[in-house]
Amino acid sequence: GESVGLHLPTLSVQEGDNSIINCAYSNSASDYFIWYKQESGKGPQFIIDIRSNMDKRQGQRVTVLLNKTVKHLSLQIAATQPGDSAVYFCAEVRRGTYKYIFGTGTRLKVLA
Amino acid sequence: NAGVTQTPKFQVLKTGQSMTLQCAQDMNHNSMYWYRQDPGMGLRLIYYSASEGTTDKGEVPNGYNVSRLNKREFSLRLESAAPSQTSVYFCASSEVDGLWVSNQPQHFGDGTRLSIL
Repeated sequence: GESVGLHLPTLSVQEGDNSIINCAYSNSASDYFIWYKQESGKGPQFIIDIRSNMDKRQGQRVTVLLNKTVKHLSLQIAATQPGDSAVYFCAEVRRGTYKYIFGTGTRLKVLA
Repeated sequence: NAGVTQTPKFQVLKTGQSMTLQCAQDMNHNSMYWYRQDPGMGLRLIYYSASEGTTDKGEVPNGYNVSRLNKREFSLRLESAAPSQTSVYFCASSEVDGLWVSNQPQHFGDGTRLSIL
């Protein structure tokens, strides 16, 4: 069925280390991908996006990598900080549709 | 700099009661969405509005109705609340062209936490 999945439900990292959060998407027709951060009691917050004509995109301390061959998406957070503790989830979107398919999320815990 | 504003933030209802969740966005986006978020599940689309004057069903529309009041506002109504509708409800908006060719990120409000007893 249609799904956007994550390999790790919980990721614990030391403050200052780099974090990598992974996501597998199911449909090769998806051409737009988004990473969101959701803090407790808040709504999802847009972090970074990438279109299928790219394989890498960088933002402030974050990088998204897209591997279309294996239908895999990752979010890299450099120098992870306590404020990065949250649930992160990806979404895939298919060209020509309104449908954003969201994953269930990975909880990132930053250890002091 | 409000973005997407949802009211109320919390609500407790009894089974059979009705209520309307309000959503407003100030980003001049064409499209607006209502989702529900349940533990262990991804966001599920209830209804969406591609543009002012149009609404369409999403993945889980049963028990809900919507109104796109104007470009800014999109409300969600529960006519006869059921315990299965206990959830966190999120409204979102995005800029998108009429053919959904060039998608953009959706921007979310902080949700309404709804409990139905």
